[in-house]
Amino acid sequence: EAQVTQNPRYLITVTGKKLTVTCSQNMNHEYMSWYRQDPGLGLRQIYYSMNVEVTDKGDVPEGYKVSRKEKRNFPLILESPSPNQTSLYFCASSLTSGRSTGELFFGEGSRLTVL
Amino acid sequence: AQTVTQSQPEMSVQEAETVTLSCTYDTSESDYYLFWYKQPPSRQMILVIRQEAYKQQNATENRFSVNFQKAAKSFSLKISDSQLGDAAMYFCAYRSGRGGSEKLVFGKGTKLTVNP
Repeated sequence: EAQVTQNPRYLITVTGKKLTVTCSQNMNHEYMSWYRQDPGLGLRQIYYSMNVEVTDKGDVPEGYKVSRKEKRNFPLILESPSPNQTSLYFCASSLTSGRSTGELFFGEGSRLTVL
Repeated sequence: AQTVTQSQPEMSVQEAETVTLSCTYDTSESDYYLFWYKQPPSRQMILVIRQEAYKQQNATENRFSVNFQKAAKSFSLKISDSQLGDAAMYFCAYRSGRGGSEKLVFGKGTKLTVNP
């Protein structure tokens, strides 16, 4: 089954304790991206990757890191989480333009709470 | 930069009735995609319908249809014969068709309530 898998789905942590949210897709997609969703703000892009070893900042990258060492995986790293990073996080993937129907495939979301 | 505006934070509809959710967008590009995503209480993002800008015909998926007005930069979603399961947050989104610009730009969402 074609899917984007995120883990963990729920996490409560404390300020400053490093954490990683994993994302994996099995559709051989070049493009992967992380979004955060906050009430009243919709979804905003944090980081994206056009392919292996190619990453770039989105609209709200502060406090986050990413890596793309393998095509299927795109982990999101919070080196020193703060309460303002409490949010719902989505990983998404797609083919790149020219080979794509435009649709972005989403993971099921990860609810993160930073105390 | 492209922007997407959903002017209705909340909408409600009676079961079996029809409701239209509004979306406008701003872009200088001619090649792009527009989407409506549904987010039920499970929080999953579910693609409802997709429209390619070069297509003049409005997209339709069962009870869901869009009114795409390219010149007016408007992309509204019509839900016919509303069902209780349609209750959700709905997001309008824009994606450039230009290579290297893969970002999906979202509106802030419209919360739809379906009354029995």
